[in-house]
Amino acid sequence: AAGVIQSPRHLIKEKRETATLKCYPIPRHDTVYWYQQGPGQDPQFLISFYEKMQSDKGSIPDRFSAQQFSDYHSELNMSSLELGDSALYFCASSLTGGATDTYFGPGTRLTVL
Amino acid sequence: AQSVSQHNHHVILSEAASLELGCNYSYGGTVNLFWYVQYPGQHLQLLLKYFSGDPLVKGIKGFEAEFIKSKFSFNLRKPSVQWSDTAEYFCAAYSSASKIIFGSGTRLSIRP
Repeated sequence: AAGVIQSPRHLIKEKRETATLKCYPIPRHDTVYWYQQGPGQDPQFLISFYEKMQSDKGSIPDRFSAQQFSDYHSELNMSSLELGDSALYFCASSLTGGATDTYFGPGTRLTVL
Repeated sequence: AQSVSQHNHHVILSEAASLELGCNYSYGGTVNLFWYVQYPGQHLQLLLKYFSGDPLVKGIKGFEAEFIKSKFSFNLRKPSVQWSDTAEYFCAAYSSASKIIFGSGTRLSIRP
């Protein structure tokens, strides 16, 4: 079965650069969630989208923005990168925000040098 | 605010020992609870989940968890651990705000 796809899987950037992370949900899933997991930390909720509209917002810095497109894929845009942004960024998808079928992607490991 | 608490930050066991990892949640309404496992360098994998019905939930890899409403607990158990169970374990809950919130995680180390 198709799973949540994230690209790239690894990304290395310099401070103050920008980065774009992509998430492709499971087919027919209309809800996407973004999480950030720092080294040795638990995943922290950043933001979510349902039907291309932002549905909830967590601890997402103002330097970050995200959107969901008409094909339901989502992009997390990160600007003015800081060393502290180095983390594993997970995307998850579900159908109509339901917990019963929330699946996590493999994550994008971002390293900021 | 809703929260999920895992009080064991690091657990060290020998192979074949029994495992119980604690998880408590703070939410009085309908709860959906999960346990995820994260092997070193890997992504989150769902071990098991509870939504309703039988409070004893069986998951993959021989894991099970028991939902005890009166104690707001959802502890993870395995009767006999293996070296390959070395990983980080996260308890999580689906909050009323339509997102999954995680506990701080428990690192499990198994001595061969």
